[in-house]
Amino acid sequence: DAGITQSPRHKVTETGTPVTLRCHQTENHRYMYWYRQDPGHGLRLIHYSYGVKDTDKGEVSDGYSVSRSKTEDFLLTLESATSSQTSVYFCAISASTGEDRETQYFGPGTRLLVL
Amino acid sequence: AQSVTQPDIHITVSEGASLELRCNYSYGATPYLFWYVQSPGQGLQLLLKYFSGDTLVQGIKGFEAEFKRSQSSFNLRKPSVHWSDAAEYFCAVGGSNNNDMRFGAGTRLTVKP
Repeated sequence: DAGITQSPRHKVTETGTPVTLRCHQTENHRYMYWYRQDPGHGLRLIHYSYGVKDTDKGEVSDGYSVSRSKTEDFLLTLESATSSQTSVYFCAISASTGEDRETQYFGPGTRLLVL
Repeated sequence: AQSVTQPDIHITVSEGASLELRCNYSYGATPYLFWYVQSPGQGLQLLLKYFSGDTLVQGIKGFEAEFKRSQSSFNLRKPSVHWSDAAEYFCAVGGSNNNDMRFGAGTRLTVKP
């Protein structure tokens, strides 16, 4: 399994509070991604990173920001959490070259409940 | 924009029976196609992928998938299902841009003893 960890694994928070989720990889992969998973929607891309300090928006980026100050860490921040952001969040990584550049490997997920 | 359709939300099969999960995609260029499996409370595990070449792809856990360009399909098959195969299965399509990957809504597989 790819060396990807996510923290926390579970979190309950209140509407309006800031929340930061962390993704840590030990594969030294260039690309990192944040997805959310909701019933009936599969996974949808929130933000992704193509290098340190290089990030871009995905399909559902509103209300989320990201940062990547080191290759191994990719942070997802909900500046002011809303109930619509209750979801399971997955981090993924992919390599820089070769076939694995197009293959994404996933972390275990973070289950977030916003009350 | 690319998209993926998994027509079956939920499938139930008996242990030992054969399985086929359907996936149809829409993509403007040559697609990269993937099947992932997710057990309850777990992350997604890659089962197999198709980039080019032989259209019948073998994966882990005895799964295979066939790419049919004329039908825009990439169906997942297994000849004999085991109880441990009960999980949710996701088809995904991507391309040369890493931010292009799109997932289907998933098919939940139940295995009857």
